[in-house]
Amino acid sequence: EVQLLESGGGLVQPGGSLRLSCAASGFNFRREPMSWVRQAPGKGLEWVSVISGSGDSTYYADSVKGRFTISRDNSKNTLYFQMNTLRVEDTAIYYCAKEGTGRFLEWGQGTLVTVSS
Amino acid sequence: QSALTQPRSVSGSPGQSVTISCTGTSSDVGAYTYVSWYQQDPGKVPKLMIYDVSKRPSGVPDRFSGSKSGNTASLTISGLQAEDEADFYCCSYAGSNSYVFGTGTKVTVV
Repeated sequence: EVQLLESGGGLVQPGGSLRLSCAASGFNFRREPMSWVRQAPGKGLEWVSVISGSGDSTYYADSVKGRFTISRDNSKNTLYFQMNTLRVEDTAIYYCAKEGTGRFLEWGQGTLVTVSS
Repeated sequence: QSALTQPRSVSGSPGQSVTISCTGTSSDVGAYTYVSWYQQDPGKVPKLMIYDVSKRPSGVPDRFSGSKSGNTASLTISGLQAEDEADFYCCSYAGSNSYVFGTGTKVTVV
């Protein structure tokens, strides 16, 4: 059974930083691209970033490009999301998702990031 | 990338059919067959219902079907059931290793 468990969310002031983690199990982690998708309170889903299975390739939505960094440690079956220069509008539940070609197959439970002074 | 456009809400009676539209552009929905749909119950995690425009993952009832014409994709729920009441989101590959989601549609069973 595929399991994805996010952690690292919390309250942070504007301009601050936070690092999210997603512990994966139940599949061959190193072979699968992984994404982060976020959902602001009461709002829709927004894809924000993807990383290849090897970690060599990373891509970002314009809304986070230059501020957030996706990475992975395949020896630990863990996905990361370093978020810097956080803004109020980054407040959201952040989901890690196992990606299949053109779709998000499995989702974690999400971790809430709140950016507020 | 602008979000794909979905109706804010649709409703139907049990047993009826409802269709949710998802309108994008020639750079996303119109350009690729990678259109997927997700059901999200309140406070829950999104669940993949349709992928590659019209394919159903194992375990998804065949009451759910997808299609696409031009820049617009559609999700149809036939034989609407009370348990189908949820938010639904479309998603399309948008090129350059990026994705765009729809604005979301609340399905109400009246």
